[in-house]
Amino acid sequence: EVQLVESGGGLVQPGGSLRLSCAASAFIFEDHAMHWVRQVPGKGLEWVSGISWNSGSMGYADSVKGRFTISRDNAKKSLYLQMNSLRTEDTAFYYCAKATEGAYNTGFGGLDVWGQGTTVTVSS
Amino acid sequence: QSVLTQPPSASGTPGQRVTISCSGSRTNIGGNTVSWYQQLPGTAPKLLIYRNNQRPSGVPDRFSGSKSGTSASLAISGLQSEDEADYFCSAWDDNLGNVIFGGGTKVTVV
Repeated sequence: EVQLVESGGGLVQPGGSLRLSCAASAFIFEDHAMHWVRQVPGKGLEWVSGISWNSGSMGYADSVKGRFTISRDNAKKSLYLQMNSLRTEDTAFYYCAKATEGAYNTGFGGLDVWGQGTTVTVSS
Repeated sequence: QSVLTQPPSASGTPGQRVTISCSGSRTNIGGNTVSWYQQLPGTAPKLLIYRNNQRPSGVPDRFSGSKSGTSASLAISGLQSEDEADYFCSAWDDNLGNVIFGGGTKVTVV
C-alpha cells in the first residue's frame, strides 16, 4: 500500500527547533516531488514547502522562508522539514504529501498521497 | 484571506447535485491546473480531482471537475451522506511561486 508516515512533531518553546520526517513506501519515491502542507485544526490548508524529485529545486511559503528547510534522501525514501526559530503561529498539524509530478512547481498537478500528519505545538 | 475563493458552505439532500466554485486569477487558475481535495472529519485530505478534471483511481465518477478561465468547479452528483466533508481547491500560483489552496467549502447533506 502506498503510504507516507510523518514523525518528529511535538511541543517546543518559541524560538526552538524541530525536525519532521516523512517515510515513504510502496512507490518510486525518487520520481516524485514532495511537499509539506500544514493545517491549524478547524482551519484551511496552507502550503509550507516543496522539493523536486532530485532536490534540484525547492520553494517555501513566505511565512516560513528563512526559518524552515526542506530536504529529502531518495536512498532512504524520506522527506524532512527542519524548522528553526519556531513561532506560536507555526502551531499546526503538518502533512507530507506526494506530488503527481517530479517537479514541485512546473506543471503542478496535485498531491495524490498524504500522510496522517504530525502535530507541532509552539508554546511557552 | 485565501488567494482562491470558495463559498464557505454548500448543502443538498441525498441524491441531489451540488457544485462548489473556486475563483482565482490568471496567475493561478488561469494559467495552471486545478486539483480538488476532500477532507473528512479527523482525517488527512484526499485527492479527488487533479489536472482540472482527472479522477484518481478509486474516486467515484459522481465527482467531476471543470475549469473555465480563472474559475474552476467541483460537482458532486447523487449526493450521499458520506460526502459530508470539507472540500478544498488548489493550484500553483506563478506570482507567489507556491501552491495555493482555497479556504475550503463545508458540504452538508441535509
